[in-house]
Amino acid sequence: QKEVEQNSGPLSVPEGAIASLNCTYSDRGSQSFFWYRQYSGKSPELIMFIYSNGDKEDGRFTAQLNKASQYVSLLIRDSQPSDSATYLCAVRNDMRFGAGTRLTVKP
Amino acid sequence: GAVVSQHPSRVICKSGTSVKIECRSLDFQATTMFWYRQFPKQSLMLMATSNEGSKATYEQGVEKDKFLINHASLTLSTLTVTSAHPEDSSFYICSARGTSGGAHTDTQYFGPGTRLTVL
Repeated sequence: QKEVEQNSGPLSVPEGAIASLNCTYSDRGSQSFFWYRQYSGKSPELIMFIYSNGDKEDGRFTAQLNKASQYVSLLIRDSQPSDSATYLCAVRNDMRFGAGTRLTVKP
Repeated sequence: GAVVSQHPSRVICKSGTSVKIECRSLDFQATTMFWYRQFPKQSLMLMATSNEGSKATYEQGVEKDKFLINHASLTLSTLTVTSAHPEDSSFYICSARGTSGGAHTDTQYFGPGTRLTVL
């Protein structure tokens, strides 16, 4: 059983909109959560990590963690075409990634 | 921030040869390194996990005699694809997790990947 589950999409949003990406996890003991972005043909790059319940903001990105409901989400404000990529959610104890969510931002 | 390098970035070899890929953490000590393989339009597949000074732990279905992993120091891990065949052609990506330097604890940092083509 995978530790994390994501909607594989594809998710399409217009430029300037808010993109919302969601991830659920199975291990209630998970402490650390990560969002990565992977462009086609490239390796993943870290966007954000979050450890505590609530929101964590970094520029246009906001990670939200709800440990009671076991989900973590990533909001991208003012989406740009350059945000088009696959977004991967990960937890500390499981380095097996799923397919991620493919996001397309249309100009 | 933490930086992981990989070398070479691209390699083309003949069937039957062995290829070594190096993964280095440049500004932190990588206590754990991971090796992934990714085929076009597919997700990352974890091949093995290695802790410095220990034998690697391979995922089910990954041949340990074919994919030799060495993590001899806190900054270097190598993956050797032995007797490579065309079906081994893929994008190989390493990542590292560690402490000190620019690395946040528990965070996995990825190298840029190595594209292997076996003719």
